[in-house]
Amino acid sequence: DAKTTQPTSMDCAEGRAANLPCNHSTISGNEYVYWYRQIHSQGPQYIIHGLKNNETNEMASLIITEDRKSSTLILPHATLRDTAVYYCIVTPYTGTASKLTFGTGTRLQVTL
Amino acid sequence: DGGITQSPKYLFRKEGQNVTLSCEQNLNHDAMYWYRQDPGQGLRLIYYSQIVNDFQKGDIAEGYSVSREKKESFPLTVTSAQKNPTAFYLCASRGTSTAPSNEQFFGPGTRLTVL
Repeated sequence: DAKTTQPTSMDCAEGRAANLPCNHSTISGNEYVYWYRQIHSQGPQYIIHGLKNNETNEMASLIITEDRKSSTLILPHATLRDTAVYYCIVTPYTGTASKLTFGTGTRLQVTL
Repeated sequence: DGGITQSPKYLFRKEGQNVTLSCEQNLNHDAMYWYRQDPGQGLRLIYYSQIVNDFQKGDIAEGYSVSREKKESFPLTVTSAQKNPTAFYLCASRGTSTAPSNEQFFGPGTRLTVL
C-alpha cells in the first residue's frame, strides 16, 4: 500500500473551513484514498473516499490532485465536535480482503 | 439498533492470564477485524475474518488468537504470550458489496490493562 504523509496537528477556528492535507506520492493506479476520523477514545468513523475525481458528501469534500499524489479533506464549517484525529489511508479495494492501514493521522483542534 | 458491541469497556487482568475480548455485530456483515491502538499511535491490524470459520493474521498477530464460529461474533483472546498486552482494542466489521467504499464500522473499544 502507498505510504501517506500528514501533518501531526492543525488548528481551526469554529465556523471556518478545515483543510487537511495528505501526501501520497507513491500511489498506484488502483489505489483509493480513504479518510476516517477518530474522536478521543472512540472507534474511527468513515468520512469519505475517492479514486481520482473530487467527492462530496454530507460530512466533507475530498479534493484529489490531477496527478493523484496528494489530496485535501475539507470540512466546510468546522465545529467543536469535529475535533479529532483524521486518518488518510491509501489502499486498493480488493473486495472482502480489503484492509486498512492507519498511520498516526492529523490531530485537528477546533477552537472557539 | 444495528451496530457493533464490545464488552467490557474496561478490563483489568493480571500478568500471565489469558483474556478474551468480546465483539458482536448485528449488521449482517461478513468481514470482521481486530485492531490494537497504543497511546498516540494509529491502529494496527491483529486479525481479520472474511467469512465464518475463516480468518487471517494481520500485522501483529503474535500472542493473539481468534475464532469465527458465528457470523455475528469474532472474539479475540489475548494470551500470556503477548509481551505488551495493555492497549485499546477495537473491533470493526464491513459488509461485502461491489462498491469500493471499504467502510468499516467500529465498536466502542475495550481498554485492557494488564497489571
